Amino acid sequence: EVQLVESGGGLVNPGGSLRLSCAASGFTFSSYTMNWVRQAPGKGLEWVSSSSVSPSYTYYTNSVVGRFTISRDSAKNSLYLQMSNLRDEDTAIYYCARDLGGANRYFDLWGQGTLVTVSS
Amino acid sequence: DVQMTQSPSTLSASVGDRVTITCRASQTITYWLAWYQQKPGKAPKLLISKASILQSGVPSRFSGSGSGTEFTLTISSLQSDDSAIYYCQQYNTYFPTFGQGTKVEIK
Repeated sequence: EVQLVESGGGLVNPGGSLRLSCAASGFTFSSYTMNWVRQAPGKGLEWVSSSSVSPSYTYYTNSVVGRFTISRDSAKNSLYLQMSNLRDEDTAIYYCARDLGGANRYFDLWGQGTLVTVSS
Repeated sequence: DVQMTQSPSTLSASVGDRVTITCRASQTITYWLAWYQQKPGKAPKLLISKASILQSGVPSRFSGSGSGTEFTLTISSLQSDDSAIYYCQQYNTYFPTFGQGTKVEIK
């Protein structure tokens, strides 16, 4: 089955760190650009970060630059998001999503999401 | 960043009605626009890519049109299952951005 499964969410204090994981299955992971998209409670969707393989690049939305790091392990078909110096405004459901890269940067497959709550 | 603005924010319509949602970009995005449907507690689902390409398995009552800065999503005959929030997303740049969403309610 083609799917993405996120894990690693939870409750963390402001200033703390958390690492999210996304396990991919049923498709050739290395053929896709992978992304993190988040949704604050009751709010809309916000793209957070992208990781492509060929060419290799990573991009981040301005508000997480220097705090979040995206990475991927093709041997494990997994995507990660290392989040540090977390702020209240980072509270959201974090979705893993794939796109075809190049000119086709729309998200055709999404995981179920993992909730990150930043609160003291 | 390219700003995406959807209208209306909420609409209420009856089963069988024709419904149109508009999405405007702050600069031209050619036709690099996608539409998603999101139901409560679920991940978004891709409906349309490249402004008008219906994804496999999506009912034909959904259609998309537009180019440049103005785009529309049309539901030709609203069904009760279409109650959801709809988002547009531009992918003309390396930094994808979404509209704020349009909530479709069934009267």
